[in-house]
Amino acid sequence: EVQLVESGGGLIQPGGSLRLSCSASGFTVSSNYMSWVRQAPGKGLEWVSVIYPAGDTYYADAVKGRFTISRDDSVNTLYLQMNTLRAEDTALYYCAKGCTCAFDAFDIWGQGTMVTVSS
Amino acid sequence: QSALTQPRSVSGSPGQSVTISCTGSSSDVSYYNHVSWYQQHPGKAPKLMIYDVTKRPSGVPDRFSGSKSGNAASLTISGLQAEDEADYYCCSYAGSYTRVFGTGTKVTVL
Repeated sequence: EVQLVESGGGLIQPGGSLRLSCSASGFTVSSNYMSWVRQAPGKGLEWVSVIYPAGDTYYADAVKGRFTISRDDSVNTLYLQMNTLRAEDTALYYCAKGCTCAFDAFDIWGQGTMVTVSS
Repeated sequence: QSALTQPRSVSGSPGQSVTISCTGSSSDVSYYNHVSWYQQHPGKAPKLMIYDVTKRPSGVPDRFSGSKSGNAASLTISGLQAEDEADYYCCSYAGSYTRVFGTGTKVTVL
């Protein structure tokens, strides 16, 4: 079964760092484009970052310079390193797999991991 | 990277059709044919419903259809059913390998 399972969320103080993990099963992370998408409580979806099979990475302006997307092919896992966290980064963070059917669409999503930035 | 504009809510009775609009700009919706739509039930992860403006993934009912004209994309749900009540988000590729989501629309089945 194709599945994504996020972990690593929690309560963190402003200015702190956190690393999210997204463990994949049923497919190979490195063969697909993968994204992180977040959703603040009661709000809409916001794209955060993407990594392509060749390893190139891209970020939303709101997180550029603070967040880093990466993957570990040996454990088929996607990561999001989040530094200098702010209150506005509080959200449920989803990882999503790019659909092989399209240049830009996400067909498999995890259940999300909650990040709360607060003192 | 401003969010695409969607109506906050739309509603319809079972069997009716509803259409959700998604308005962007010349930098996203208008320029690229890479618009997708996602359905999200409360407490659940989003689900891909439409990609590349008009295409449906396997398993998505043909009651769901997409279109685009100029800087606005649309999702139409025909023959509305109770299980269609959810939040819907559009998403457009915006160039330079970035993408932008819409503000989201709550669909209510009366």
